[in-house]
Amino acid sequence: GENVEQHPSTLSVQEGDSAVIKCTYSDSASNYFPWYKQELGKRPQLIIDIRSNVGEKKDQRIAVTLNKTAKHFSLHITETQPEDSAVYFCAALAYSGAGSYQLTFGKGTKLSVIP
Amino acid sequence: DAGITQSPRHKVTETGTPVTLRCHQTENHRYMYWYRQDPGHGLRLIHYSYGVKDTDKGEVSDGYSVSRSKTEDFLLTLESATSSQTSVYFCAISEQGILNTGELFFGEGSRLTVL
Repeated sequence: GENVEQHPSTLSVQEGDSAVIKCTYSDSASNYFPWYKQELGKRPQLIIDIRSNVGEKKDQRIAVTLNKTAKHFSLHITETQPEDSAVYFCAALAYSGAGSYQLTFGKGTKLSVIP
Repeated sequence: DAGITQSPRHKVTETGTPVTLRCHQTENHRYMYWYRQDPGHGLRLIHYSYGVKDTDKGEVSDGYSVSRSKTEDFLLTLESATSSQTSVYFCAISEQGILNTGELFFGEGSRLTVL
């Protein structure tokens, strides 16, 4: 099955700096890569996603890049703010057998933005 | 926030007892999922449903069963709870299936402790 590795597990940045979180996946057939943000004690929420036919996608201060050849994708947050502090999860969609597809999540990155 | 409620939100039980968690949605979404979240493991899919009485196993289905008799309700049952099932359980819904890259909307989570 699909395996998603996420790095780093924790990340601290100064307010205003950029943050980058990287994920690698194992199944070359994976074609959809969402990112979810989970604030402390809250539910995960989708913040951005990218499909395999696109190399980069931006939404204000966040962007995601995808390198299919290397099988890795990254989340970039610019001009970080304290409210960006949260746990971020990457995920990859892959065929899991018997006609089923599953999202496989990375283990998460805890981002702390220091004022 | 999507109309998803989970109950109970917190439960403490003893090893060997049965436990049922309920997920109720008011969005009339076809797809419903149960995930568990554990430190260092991210989000892992337990079971999912693609319609009334249509369910399938996820990555970590052993020890769990599900039922969906109505569109709005998806029940997760631990027939005989074990300490390894201590976790935070999230229900999620999506209008489109994962194959169509439907966004997952998560409930607030149910924290289960098995003593």
